[in-house]
Amino acid sequence: DAGITQSPRYKITETGRQVTLMCHQTWSHSYMFWYRQDLGHGLRLIYYSAAADITDKGEVPDGYVVSRSKTENFPLTLESATRSQTSVYFCASLPDRGNTEAFFGQGTRLTVV
Amino acid sequence: DQQVKQNSPSLSVQEGRISILNCDYTNSMFDYFLWYKKYPAEGPTFLISISSIKDKNEDGRFTVFLNKSAKHLSLHIVPSQPGDSAVYFCAAIENRSGTYKYIFGTGTRLKVLA
Repeated sequence: DAGITQSPRYKITETGRQVTLMCHQTWSHSYMFWYRQDLGHGLRLIYYSAAADITDKGEVPDGYVVSRSKTENFPLTLESATRSQTSVYFCASLPDRGNTEAFFGQGTRLTVV
Repeated sequence: DQQVKQNSPSLSVQEGRISILNCDYTNSMFDYFLWYKKYPAEGPTFLISISSIKDKNEDGRFTVFLNKSAKHLSLHIVPSQPGDSAVYFCAAIENRSGTYKYIFGTGTRLKVLA
């Protein structure tokens, strides 16, 4: 299917476990982003990537790791999940020209118990 | 500190009237601004945008205004419809040495009453 997809849609994990959220896009967009959505904070940027093998921190990167070995994939890993990381996570992609709309996945609802 | 803020967490408007959603930003490096709409259990979708060299952009019922000196933008929806009920996010793009960073605001929940 064309577009941007996230998996899983829902995940429950225990405190201290490692968990990886997947993001895949079929457009070969250069940029990809990870956001978390929390009440009162809106969408906060965790990490972003301008191209394969190029990643940079956003507003709230602590506790997260990303990689981008292929243009189409941008996984987000929580190395040791904490309850404060319970959130809805959104992945987005953006074409190379930058000043244009970004396209979002459906989101992953993560609960850390 | 959040660089993009929407100070009204919620707004209720009667159907047919104007909805005005506001957004303030602090970073003077932002050069492109967008509004997104988000329904529950879905990802945000693009609504309208404006370049920093303009002060107004219109698309049907939606108009975005930009006041660079005040670092303020607003979204006007006229007339408002019940289907417009959603969370609205403003977003800003910083272009730093050719790398684009996309920052979102805190969101405003709009409820249009029939």
